[in-house]
Amino acid sequence: GAVVSQHPSWVICKSGTSVKIECRSLDFQATTMFWYRQFPKQSLMLMATSNEGSKATYEQGVEKDKFLINHASLTLSTLTVTSAHPEDSSFYICSAAGQRQPQHFGDGTRLSIL
Amino acid sequence: GDSVTQMEGPVTLSEEAFLTINCTYTATGYPSLFWYVQYPGEGLQLLLKATKADDKGSNKGFEATYRKETTSFHLEKGSVQVSDSAVYFCALSEKNQGGKLIFGQGTELSVKP
Repeated sequence: GAVVSQHPSWVICKSGTSVKIECRSLDFQATTMFWYRQFPKQSLMLMATSNEGSKATYEQGVEKDKFLINHASLTLSTLTVTSAHPEDSSFYICSAAGQRQPQHFGDGTRLSIL
Repeated sequence: GDSVTQMEGPVTLSEEAFLTINCTYTATGYPSLFWYVQYPGEGLQLLLKATKADDKGSNKGFEATYRKETTSFHLEKGSVQVSDSAVYFCALSEKNQGGKLIFGQGTELSVKP
């Protein structure tokens, strides 16, 4: 079945650094990718939607300069958390959808900012 | 706006018990409805879905029926196993929203041997 690979699965870094998370669709062309954030024991909150070759659409309240999303190809989207701080610590999950392909989710990235 | 409401967890059951997790929704259009399952430390996996009223989605012994009259999509399983322990999310997607999913808050299920 369709697979979405997310990397890294876990990252710890110091406050002020930038962190890049990759999301790849391994066996289909992902025309749309979604980025979610999940706090412990809570639901997924959609952060942004990205379509290949165009700018991401951010949900209300999500800082686009803080969370940079790039979807340069049909198999790769990246989320960069710029100048990360402890309050950015969370579980980030991507999903990818294509023509006739429903959303398939990555396994998530646990980000811890010290 | 559209929203999904699930029963609060955690739900704790003994093995082979009957499971119901309630889910209701509000939507402006005619959404597709989904149940996703999340095992600890992992992303979400699609469990089942229904795209129109009266459709029944089923998978791995789980079932849910799209009830337009009650705006509900309750998840059921006749006999749960320890391996079913996970967090279950109900979600909807409107047809004109580019695949955007709106999730409920999730319900944690714990099945004891």
